[in-house]
Amino acid sequence: AQSVTQLGSHVSVSEGALVLLRCNYSSSVPPYLFWYVQYPNQGLQLLLKYTTGATLVKGINGFEAEFKKSETSFHLTKPSAHMSDAAEYFCAVSDPGGANNLFFGTGTRLTVIP
Amino acid sequence: DAGVIQSPRHEVTEMGQEVTLRCKPISGHNSLFWYRQTMMRGLELLIYFNNNVPIDDSGMPEDRFSAKMPNASFSTLKIQPSEPRDSAVYFCASGGRAPNTEAFFGQGTRLTVV
Repeated sequence: AQSVTQLGSHVSVSEGALVLLRCNYSSSVPPYLFWYVQYPNQGLQLLLKYTTGATLVKGINGFEAEFKKSETSFHLTKPSAHMSDAAEYFCAVSDPGGANNLFFGTGTRLTVIP
Repeated sequence: DAGVIQSPRHEVTEMGQEVTLRCKPISGHNSLFWYRQTMMRGLELLIYFNNNVPIDDSGMPEDRFSAKMPNASFSTLKIQPSEPRDSAVYFCASGGRAPNTEAFFGQGTRLTVV
């Protein structure tokens, strides 16, 4: 079965500082991994995804994530936080050999301090 | 494409009443998911369909909840009778035909049962 664990339900960073949101996954097969962002009163929007190939994945709004099989991790980073990055971020995993359903983590709320 | 369309955006109803939430997936997508989001439980998968057929409804909380997908362009989630603990944001998402593509989310329906 697939699952993800997001370490830290709340993360605060100063504007211009590095953003690091942690995600570890559990999967019996090589997984597909996703990061979604949710702004207040909005649905979830895909930031980036890893399926196969290059392990460093770049997404929208300057975010990127690196798939590290040895660490079973898929941490999300951004070099310099912007006020508009304040939102909730969800990591998700799916099984490439199974159905299309995504298993979401519990989310991390990012606060950006001016 | 207009994306996943959900209606209504907000619903306030009295306990005991029937509630029907509606979803129009992205044209051409063959997977459809219903999620519920609450502060206490985060994002929960209720049910998902593949090619209009319910694949896994193990997330449906109880018999008061039912979901249908009569055709590829429409799905409903019904709660009858509704209870205050059903208050949540309900999201519909759809996914494309390639294996394990990402899910595209609607804006959600905020349900309040009083």
